[in-house]
Amino acid sequence: AQTVTQSQPEMSVQEAETVTLSCTYDTSESDYYLFWYKQPPSRQMILVIRQEAYKQQNATENRFSVNFQKAAKSFSLKISDSQLGDAAMYFCAYRSAEGAQKLVFGQGTRLTINP
Amino acid sequence: NAGVMQNPRHLVRRRGQEARLRCSPMKGHSHVYWYRQLPEEGLKFMVYLQKENIIDESGMPKERFSAEFPKEGPSILRIQQVVRGDSAAYFCASSPRYRPTEQYFGPGTRLTVT
Repeated sequence: AQTVTQSQPEMSVQEAETVTLSCTYDTSESDYYLFWYKQPPSRQMILVIRQEAYKQQNATENRFSVNFQKAAKSFSLKISDSQLGDAAMYFCAYRSAEGAQKLVFGQGTRLTINP
Repeated sequence: NAGVMQNPRHLVRRRGQEARLRCSPMKGHSHVYWYRQLPEEGLKFMVYLQKENIIDESGMPKERFSAEFPKEGPSILRIQQVVRGDSAAYFCASSPRYRPTEQYFGPGTRLTVT
């Protein structure tokens, strides 16, 4: 079974600075998808960014980018120019490309933005 | 374009009562997933349904929990004889038939068992 591990329960960063959230996963599959979701205090789950494992190029969405290291099974999220609205829980998630459609989530990292 | 809708947003039940949680997927979506989030934890998969079919229920507790997604109407997650340990946030997500990679989440239902 696949597992996702986020080793940083909490992180903090100064407004306008850059922060990197870590995620590692375990799988024997070669094709899969990885996601970062944001959960603000409203509890709504918001998709931040998505990466297909077969793509070598790292995904980027505005101030959010990932560092995908397939051999190391690592998938970190970099937030540039941090804003107060970025404060939230961030969850890393895995999904198989075939078969099981479910998302497997990590435990989450609580990100605090200091003004 | 309405997103995934869940109701109620908050539900309080006494031990032993039944809880019914509803999820209306986005328009045009035929796949529904239910996840549970215990306090201070990540989301855990419970069940995956398509219209009138349970596709994967590997995350559902063996007793007291059931789910359905009828041909007409919302998907229902039903918890019978609730216990305090059922207190959690329950999230529904939906995806379109031909692009199941993209799961869109509803706002969740927070269940409190007293």
